[in-house]
Amino acid sequence: GAVVSQHPSRVICKSGTSVKIECRSLDFQATTMFWYRQFPKQSLMLMATSNEGSKATYEQGVEKDKFLINHASLTLSTLTVTSAHPEDSSFYICSARKGTGKTDTQYFGPGTRLTVL
Amino acid sequence: RKEVEQDPGPFNVPEGATVAFNCTYSNSASQSFFWYRQDCRKEPKLLMSVYSSGNEDGRFTAQLNRASQYISLLIRDSKLSDSATYLCVVTGGSYIPTFGRGTSLIVHP
Repeated sequence: GAVVSQHPSRVICKSGTSVKIECRSLDFQATTMFWYRQFPKQSLMLMATSNEGSKATYEQGVEKDKFLINHASLTLSTLTVTSAHPEDSSFYICSARKGTGKTDTQYFGPGTRLTVL
Repeated sequence: RKEVEQDPGPFNVPEGATVAFNCTYSNSASQSFFWYRQDCRKEPKLLMSVYSSGNEDGRFTAQLNRASQYISLLIRDSKLSDSATYLCVVTGGSYIPTFGRGTSLIVHP
């Protein structure tokens, strides 16, 4: 397997503040990282694909100005939820793609549970 | 039609039972297939990749049927610890993963 860390694991913030979540691949270099959101009893919804050194590709319906993604290095991607509101409360999970072929796999971070009051 | 579909369940089985899940996908150009396991309020963990020839890992067997566009997961001799949600993941040529909604398995004593 592979190890992906995510920080913080849990955050509670006031409405209107910004929250930054870090995703790190600890034992491999990841050219691609993914950011997901999961609401209770729902499936993972891909928010964006983050490629090192280039702009993130956002899925339809995801506001790029609200969810800022930066993939600064081959081991670090960050997601910033700007001006968070209660409806942004969710479980945010990142994953890192290991390998470059069609059979490579993705490994998930432990997730960040965001609660916006 | 959703890209990846799974029966949400729950599948409620006794310990020791054999249980099978299917997952259908709509994109015939899909290239890679995986089963992940997700415990409540945790991140998904890779269970196994699914190869064209099928593959087995202990009590778990995964198979791919490209003609009918589905993958399956068979769990033999179910344990209480197998209780979880099993997610089907399909990727295309660009390796953008698409997740199924997951199938909930409950193994009871």
